[in-house]
Amino acid sequence: EDKVVQSPLSLVVHEGDTVTLNCSYEVTNFRSLLWYKQEKKAPTFLFMLTSSGIEKKSGRLSSILDKKELFSILNITATQTGDSAVYLCAVDDSGGGADGLTFGKGTHLIIQP
Amino acid sequence: NAGVTQTPKFRILKIGQSMTLQCTQDMNHNYMYWYRQDPGMGLKLIYYSVGAGITDKGEVPNGYNVSRSTTEDFPLRLELAAPSQTSVYFCASRSLGAAFFGQGTRLTVV
Repeated sequence: EDKVVQSPLSLVVHEGDTVTLNCSYEVTNFRSLLWYKQEKKAPTFLFMLTSSGIEKKSGRLSSILDKKELFSILNITATQTGDSAVYLCAVDDSGGGADGLTFGKGTHLIIQP
Repeated sequence: NAGVTQTPKFRILKIGQSMTLQCTQDMNHNYMYWYRQDPGMGLKLIYYSVGAGITDKGEVPNGYNVSRSTTEDFPLRLELAAPSQTSVYFCASRSLGAAFFGQGTRLTVV
């Protein structure tokens, strides 16, 4: 049973489109939710969310958390081919990092020119 | 800024061979992790450590061992390599915020 479920698993859009990636979770002691971008190497950190309703924003990317409904979304506006990657959602349910981050399977995003 | 450094980047092993994947971090993080990533499966936790001398199993520990003699180093040992261990391995470290990853080791067992 997956604790962290991402949807869709893959998505193909055209350059300039806006995309919304979803992450739902079911953990016992939620501490934070993190988004990562992974191209052909190591995941790179995008956002860490701990509080509901507070949007985190970086350029064309933004993310928000809903702790009541147990999900988060990652939005990318005006997509570019460089946004093509696997986007990973991870949840820290340890309260102190002891059990590591639990990752979803990722959303494979392809931006077509 | 070195961050998290993994070696080697690539390795081919024969079934039954052993090897150690090296991981070192220079951020003085207490927490360190080993993940494996298989296509379409996200990252699965193998082992983790909350500080020097303390390690524990993650979700998929079978066939692996770790040690943590210093804050900086967290090597992962494969004793008897099996084809099921063909994967990409990532080491990560964190304090209380985001985890930072090494560049990965692509391991093939034939």
